[in-house]
Amino acid sequence: SQQGEEDPQALSIQEGENATMNCSYKTSINNLQWYRQNSGRGLVHLILIRSNEREKHSGRLRVTLDTSKKSSSLLITASRAADTASYFCATGLTGGGNKLTFGTGTQLKVEL
Amino acid sequence: DTAVSQTPKYLVTQMGNDKSIKCEQNLGHDTMYWYKQDSKKFLKIMFSYNNKELIINETVPNRFSPKSPDKAHLNLHINSLELGDSAVYFCASSQLSRGNEQYFGPGTRLTVT
Repeated sequence: SQQGEEDPQALSIQEGENATMNCSYKTSINNLQWYRQNSGRGLVHLILIRSNEREKHSGRLRVTLDTSKKSSSLLITASRAADTASYFCATGLTGGGNKLTFGTGTQLKVEL
Repeated sequence: DTAVSQTPKYLVTQMGNDKSIKCEQNLGHDTMYWYKQDSKKFLKIMFSYNNKELIINETVPNRFSPKSPDKAHLNLHINSLELGDSAVYFCASSQLSRGNEQYFGPGTRLTVT
């Protein structure tokens, strides 16, 4: 079964609001990554958090990781219309080499 | 100066045909991947090559055969295409020694009729 499940499946907010997406996984991981996919395009890497880290920031992005709950969250602050995209979490498994297993994705729509 | 490129971008073909998708990366990465994304946007890894050696081979029909002539190229050949092969295929690359952030190509939308 799939490693990552994301919640919510879809999220619609107004520009300027914060957007929070959650990702849950099932097995031990080495790292967790978040990617963005604009419609009709390839995925773009946003941020990587290692299993021994709890929080990481990159610009308007904040990622948390709770390995005891096997979950992660991605917070986008002060959202913009250009943030409209699908967001995927991907887990690198312990002992899994370079394999990433992607979640189901959250479709974010930021309205003006 | 495209990092990961794929050709073609769109591919429409009939059942039973054989087709190839090409991928090239100019990032100097040592590892390349093929993913399949279905109509529900579920992304699943198919293959991975590290320095031209196959290191990940998921449960994929034998009709799919990857080929890596060198570190910068990873092609995907598909024999006897079926309706269920319709999807978007993404190539990606990474440099394992610098973590496993993957860089994706723009995708190839394959439609089998």
